[in-house]
Amino acid sequence: AQKITQTQPGMFVQEKEAVTLDCTYDTSDQSYGLFWYKQPSSGEMIFLIYQGSYDEQNATEGRYSLNFQKARKSANLVISASQLGDSAMYFCAMRERASNTGKLIFGQGTTLQVKP
Amino acid sequence: GAVVSQHPSRVICKSGTSVKIECRSLDFQATTMFWYRQFPKKSLMLMATSNEGSKATYEQGVEKDKFLINHASLTLSTLTVTSAHPEDSSFYICSAGTSGRAWNEQFFGPGTRLTVL
Repeated sequence: AQKITQTQPGMFVQEKEAVTLDCTYDTSDQSYGLFWYKQPSSGEMIFLIYQGSYDEQNATEGRYSLNFQKARKSANLVISASQLGDSAMYFCAMRERASNTGKLIFGQGTTLQVKP
Repeated sequence: GAVVSQHPSRVICKSGTSVKIECRSLDFQATTMFWYRQFPKKSLMLMATSNEGSKATYEQGVEKDKFLINHASLTLSTLTVTSAHPEDSSFYICSAGTSGRAWNEQFFGPGTRLTVL
């Protein structure tokens, strides 16, 4: 069964520094997609970045990059130049291609606090 | 990006009443919608997957008679919490995808915070 693990319940980072949020996954499917979402205190889920299992290059979206290590089954999120507005809960999620429903499986989440 | 709305954003009700939450895709047609439940500082737990015009598929452990889901059109899905009790208090979030885009991205609604007194 597929599984997503985020081992860091909480993280602190100094403003303007970079931070890495860890995510490991487990799946027997060869085709899958990995996602990162940001959830501020307001509750909305904000899509950040996507990595397909067959993508050869690591995904990047502005200050967000995904460090995809397929052999290790890890998909860590790197946030560069942290800003105070980055303080939020971050979720890693996975969707298996074999799942015709397209449903997402979420990790436990990591709460990031950016210090001024 | 595509917009998904939820209504109401916040509801407080008495124990024993039923509450309906609406999820609408505003600028695209959603063949599939998902309903999640989230407790404070916890992860999103998928409750059910609904496809337009057919019965919802519930996740294991979710009471289908308690959480009624209707997906009557390509832009609207509703979740009704029947005979709500305090333990049903939670944050409910819907998401929507289309047949061509569901593989790559789901679009989330802003969530509904339910408090049962």
